[in-house]
Amino acid sequence: GQQVMQIPQYQHVQEGEDFTTYCNSSTTLSNIQWYKQRPGGHPVFLIQLVKSGEVKKQKRLTFQFGEAKKNSSLHITATQTTDVGTYFCAGRGAGGTSYGKLTFGQGTILTVHP
Amino acid sequence: EPEVTQTPSHQVTQMGQEVILRCVPISNHLYFYWYRQILGQKVEFLVSFYNNEISEKSEIFDDQFSVERPDGSNFTLKIRSTKLEDSAMYFCASSEGTGFGYTFGSGTRLTVV
Repeated sequence: GQQVMQIPQYQHVQEGEDFTTYCNSSTTLSNIQWYKQRPGGHPVFLIQLVKSGEVKKQKRLTFQFGEAKKNSSLHITATQTTDVGTYFCAGRGAGGTSYGKLTFGQGTILTVHP
Repeated sequence: EPEVTQTPSHQVTQMGQEVILRCVPISNHLYFYWYRQILGQKVEFLVSFYNNEISEKSEIFDDQFSVERPDGSNFTLKIRSTKLEDSAMYFCASSEGTGFGYTFGSGTRLTVV
């Protein structure tokens, strides 16, 4: 079955440093989504990428979808303490009869030291 | 902003007992999901539900699990005979369609003792 791998598992940064998490799928994706989960909270939808090579920005967050639609990245510029949490990528397989099932990566736990 | 509501927030049950986890998805959403997250681990797919029937389920979703949408608003997950390894946070989610992001509920923390 489809597998989505995410690295690194943990990332500790000083406030103001940049942060990047990478996501790789074992199969081609129709789209990929990113979620943020604060400690003790639930996943919150951040963005969806659909097109090959797509880049989207949300303030300090930059999301990329690879040309082969098998990998993605999230980059945060100048981290703040409010960025703390676990960032998950979640991929939807291309083709087939998937009714929207998302396969989540393991997540990257981001800690920001003030 | 519309929310997905889950009850109860915490449930402690004895091994072998039945539990029902309840969810009220966002009213105009068409697709409903149950996921679970064992503490500190990734979010695992259990089942998707569309047009009043299961559309996809994972290997985790065995005969002990069932879902229902009994009245057009509630969406329930039943575990017939709980096992210790069923202890996890169970999240309900809904979406407008297959090309949209999920809205997750706050989850039900299930503890099987």
